[in-house]
Amino acid sequence: AQSVAQPEDQVNVAEGNPLTVKCTYSVSGNPYLFWYVQYPNRGLQFLLKYITGDNLVKGSYGFEAEFNKSQTSFHLKKPSALVSDSALYFCAVRDGGDKIIFGKGTRLHILP
Amino acid sequence: KAGVTQTPRYLIKTRGQQVTLSCSPISGHRSVSWYQQTPGQGLQFLFEYFSETQRNKGNFPGRFSGRQFSNSRSEMNVSTLELGDSALYLCASSLSSGGGYYNEQFFGPGTRLTVL
Repeated sequence: AQSVAQPEDQVNVAEGNPLTVKCTYSVSGNPYLFWYVQYPNRGLQFLLKYITGDNLVKGSYGFEAEFNKSQTSFHLKKPSALVSDSALYFCAVRDGGDKIIFGKGTRLHILP
Repeated sequence: KAGVTQTPRYLIKTRGQQVTLSCSPISGHRSVSWYQQTPGQGLQFLFEYFSETQRNKGNFPGRFSGRQFSNSRSEMNVSTLELGDSALYLCASSLSSGGGYYNEQFFGPGTRLTVL
């Protein structure tokens, strides 16, 4: 069965430092992976997706994600964190039946 | 272009009652998906409708049902409410079905349901 795991409930990063939010997945077949962000009292916003091609995917707000097939990971990264990046981040994988399976989410705190 | 709208934004019900939530997708979008978000379980897929037909369904009991109208607006109904149904219910619209694979999903702000 397809699944996605976000091993960290919370990540704290100082403003200006690089950030990484981790995601690992388990799928049969080719993985289709997504990152979404949720700001307080808002719905989810799409950040980026990996379908095929380059392992480094660039997305919105300066975020990027690195697909690593051997480690079955799809970590979200940003070179320099902003306080406004503080939010809840969800990794997701599309299963063979067109359903999206979300991770439990990682709360990112950027400290000024 | 207006975003995805959900009504009502907040709802308080008691156990045993039923509730109907509404979602209006972005104009031109034909796919509407529903998700339940809780602190413990995270975000879980309920079902997806495309052109008035249910395309996919998650692992929820039959108390959870939905439908889509010819204008792509969708409603979700939960009957015989239980305390555990308290959650944020999100809907997402997209041009096509496929859970965001072909086209990006746009999420609404959600309806927060509290069951007492």
